[in-house]
Amino acid sequence: AQKVTQAQTEISVVEKEDVTLDCVYETRDTTYYLFWYKQPPSGELVFLIRRNSFDEQNEISGRYSWNFQKSTSSFNFTITASQVVDSAVYFCALRRRWGAQKLVFGQGTRLTINP
Amino acid sequence: GAGVSQTPSNKVTEKGKYVELRCDPISGHTALYWYRQSLGQGPEFLIYFQGTGAADDSGLPNDRFFAVRPEGSVSTLKIQRTERGDSAVYLCASSLTGEFAQETQYFGPGTRLLVL
Repeated sequence: AQKVTQAQTEISVVEKEDVTLDCVYETRDTTYYLFWYKQPPSGELVFLIRRNSFDEQNEISGRYSWNFQKSTSSFNFTITASQVVDSAVYFCALRRRWGAQKLVFGQGTRLTINP
Repeated sequence: GAGVSQTPSNKVTEKGKYVELRCDPISGHTALYWYRQSLGQGPEFLIYFQGTGAADDSGLPNDRFFAVRPEGSVSTLKIQRTERGDSAVYLCASSLTGEFAQETQYFGPGTRLLVL
């Protein structure tokens, strides 16, 4: 069975602070894909990044960075110099490489950036 | 181009009634997915279409839920004899082929269903 856990239900920081959102997953598969989505107040899930299980290189995109560690089954997301527009609910998700095409989501982390 | 669209954006109904929720995927996308998101939770998979056929309906909670995609484009999620526990946001997503796990699923804005 696949499972994704985002232990942080809510995080609140002041603008310009760095913040890390944790994601831990469980799977028996050796190959799989991990995703992060952002859900702003409008409700639409916005794709941020995809990472496959055989590529453990960290990735940086502007103020966003992702740290994938297969040994600890974690795929954490860091926002550097946070901005008010980063306020949203963030979801981590897992998808098997073979078989089921569904995404398995974590419970989400509500991030609030205060001015 | 246009993204995934869903109608209605909000639906209020009474317990026991029948509802239909519509999803219009990105043009050219073969794969279509339905998810349900309860308050404070992550989306949960309901059903996946590959073209016109339901390739995986393992997430449908019971036989009151049914979905169709007759022409391989627009899909309708149908809920019979609605219950208060069906209240949630119903999200639709589409991807290009559904054949590759690395494909991005693009989500619509959702339909917020409230059963009174």
